[in-house]
Amino acid sequence: GEDVEQSLFLSVREGDSSVINCTYTDSSSTYLYWYKQEPGAGLQLLTYIFSNMDMKQDQRLTVLLNKKDKHLSLRIADTQTGDSAIYFCAEARFGSGGGADGLTFGKGTHLIIQP
Amino acid sequence: NAGVTQTPKFRILKIGQSMTLQCTQDMNHNYMYWYRQDPGMGLKLIYYSVGAGITDKGEVPNGYNVSRSTTEDFPLRLELAAPSQTSVYFCASRDSNQPQHFGDGTRLSIL
Repeated sequence: GEDVEQSLFLSVREGDSSVINCTYTDSSSTYLYWYKQEPGAGLQLLTYIFSNMDMKQDQRLTVLLNKKDKHLSLRIADTQTGDSAIYFCAEARFGSGGGADGLTFGKGTHLIIQP
Repeated sequence: NAGVTQTPKFRILKIGQSMTLQCTQDMNHNYMYWYRQDPGMGLKLIYYSVGAGITDKGEVPNGYNVSRSTTEDFPLRLELAAPSQTSVYFCASRDSNQPQHFGDGTRLSIL
């Protein structure tokens, strides 16, 4: 099965909070990332968290990490139409790729904003 | 700084043709990566490099080659293009203990 799993779609109303969830399987993960991809564009780094942290907040974004359950979430407060995109969870594993920490990605969650 | 620059942005190839996807970064990063993204999927690592003169295989290296003669450039070569290589290709780079920064991608179709 997939090493990093995400729900494929999330639909929220404009102004509500969005919570995008991700589970991973490798306990040796070091950093966990959230990237945003708009249609036809590259990946934009949103935020990341080191595996010894349990929360990180950056303006409208809050990342929660439950290392015991290998669960990561991204909360977007006051969701706007500009937040419509695909959100990828990714993990960097210590020692993978000879220590170069190539990322392992989930399939991405499509965030759909309803007016 | 331009960041990570990929060229071309789009390309259509015939089966059996060869081409090189270019990637350059102006941030003096040692680590560089090539990923492919198939429709509805996340990115998968093709090759990576930890510095000039050093490259290694990722998860899906078959059908590709890379070189790293300078810190700035990390080209990806397709020798005999196959339909299964139709994808969007992303190059990324990073500094030590920093996140990866991605280019805008090259959209490649093999017909």
